[in-house]
Amino acid sequence: GAVVSQHPSRVICKSGTSVKIECRSLDFQATTMFWYRQFPKQSLMLMATSNEGSKATYEQGVEKDKFLINHASLTLSTLTVTSAHPEDSSFYICSVPGTYEQYFGPGTRLTVT
Amino acid sequence: GQQLNQSPQSMFIQEGEDVSMNCTSSSIFNTWLWYKQDPGEGPVLLIALYKAGELTSNGRLTAQFGITRKDSFLNISASIPSDVGIYFCAGHNSNTGKLIFGQGTTLQVKP
Repeated sequence: GAVVSQHPSRVICKSGTSVKIECRSLDFQATTMFWYRQFPKQSLMLMATSNEGSKATYEQGVEKDKFLINHASLTLSTLTVTSAHPEDSSFYICSVPGTYEQYFGPGTRLTVT
Repeated sequence: GQQLNQSPQSMFIQEGEDVSMNCTSSSIFNTWLWYKQDPGEGPVLLIALYKAGELTSNGRLTAQFGITRKDSFLNISASIPSDVGIYFCAGHNSNTGKLIFGQGTTLQVKP
C-alpha cells in the first residue's frame, strides 16, 4: 500500500494563529487525498477531500475558510488551520486512497493554547 | 455523519484468549476494511474484504464479509500484549469513494 507521511507530528500554537500541516504520499501519486479529525476516544471524522488541481470538497459542518486545503502536487496536500481556537485541538490524519482502501498518515497532534 | 455500529466498545482480556468484534450497517457495502490504531498513530490496514461471504486471514487475524453485505466480524486468536489498540471497521462507499467508520473497539490485553 501507499506510504504516507505527515509533518509536523506535533504542534502547539497560540489562539488566533494559523498552523499548516503537510501530508505527503511518498511512493504513490495521488489525485485525491482525505483529511480526517479525531477527538480523544472517538472515531475518525472526515473533514474534506483534497483534489489535485481543483478545490477541496468539504463535509457538512466543516468551515472551508477555517480549514484551508491546498493539493499542491500529486504527492502533497496541506491543511491550514486558520485563526486557531482551543476547540480546534485534535488529532488530524490524512489518507491516500487505493482502489477501495485508504492508507493513513501517522497523524498530527494539534494543541491550541 | 453516518457511522457503522461496532461492538463491543471495549474489551479487557487475558493474554492468550481469543477476541471477536463485529460491525453492522443498515446500508450495503461492497468493501469492508479492518484497521488497527495504536495510541498517537494513524490507522493501519489489517484486512480488506471484497466479496460477500469472503473469509480472509492475516496471521492470527480472521475477518469475514457478511453474506448480506451489511456486516463483518474480526477475530483475533491467541492474543498477545502488542494486540492492544483500537480496532476500527470501515465500509467503502463505492459512489463517493469515502470510508464510513465504526466507533472503534478498544482492546486491552493483560499479560
